[in-house]
Amino acid sequence: KNQVEQSPQSLIILEGKNCTLQCNYTVSPFSNLRWYKQDTGRGPVSLTIMTFSENTKSNGRYTATLDADTKQSSLHITASQLSDSASYICVVNYGQNFVFGPGTRLSVLP
Amino acid sequence: GAGVSQSPSNKVTEKGKDVELRCDPISGHTALYWYRQSLGQGLEFLIYFQGNSAPDKSGLPSDRFSAERTGGSVSTLTIQRTQQEDSAVYLCASSLIVGSTDTQYFGPGTRLTVL
Repeated sequence: KNQVEQSPQSLIILEGKNCTLQCNYTVSPFSNLRWYKQDTGRGPVSLTIMTFSENTKSNGRYTATLDADTKQSSLHITASQLSDSASYICVVNYGQNFVFGPGTRLSVLP
Repeated sequence: GAGVSQSPSNKVTEKGKDVELRCDPISGHTALYWYRQSLGQGLEFLIYFQGNSAPDKSGLPSDRFSAERTGGSVSTLTIQRTQQEDSAVYLCASSLIVGSTDTQYFGPGTRLTVL
């Protein structure tokens, strides 16, 4: 069964700290893996998109990694800001279908 | 330029009524996607369009759901005989092409409440 799991379910950190979010998937065949940021009441915003051959991709303070062998991805956020408070969603694309993870709810406190 | 817009932003309807949700993609985007996000649950992919064509409709939850796109632009998602389990936020996204690495841009969503 095609599934995407994310951990932790929620995370609270202090402003300025770093954090890493995890994504494990069993989707096959694999096309690409995407990370989105979703603020409450808004649509998701794309952070990174990685294909099978890419191990790391950065977007500002966001760095995503992909290990296609172990079917794991991580999203590292550096020097967190209050505006990073949001849900972070991992999505795996296969063909023209998408399997979404449940998201990690990140709260950054001052 | 303008992003993806959706209307209405909120819709409250009675069980059994039909509803129509609208999506205006970014101008020039040939690919359009519909998703559903139920309360407390993750996003669920429903259907995509390449131009006016929807090659795979298997993601639609039931035959009460239909979608169309005309002129390669505006798309409508229609839900007939709404049920309470249809209550959710319906999100639309568009991208330049249907490609494995093409960035999708999401609209703000339509919050549907079925009483």
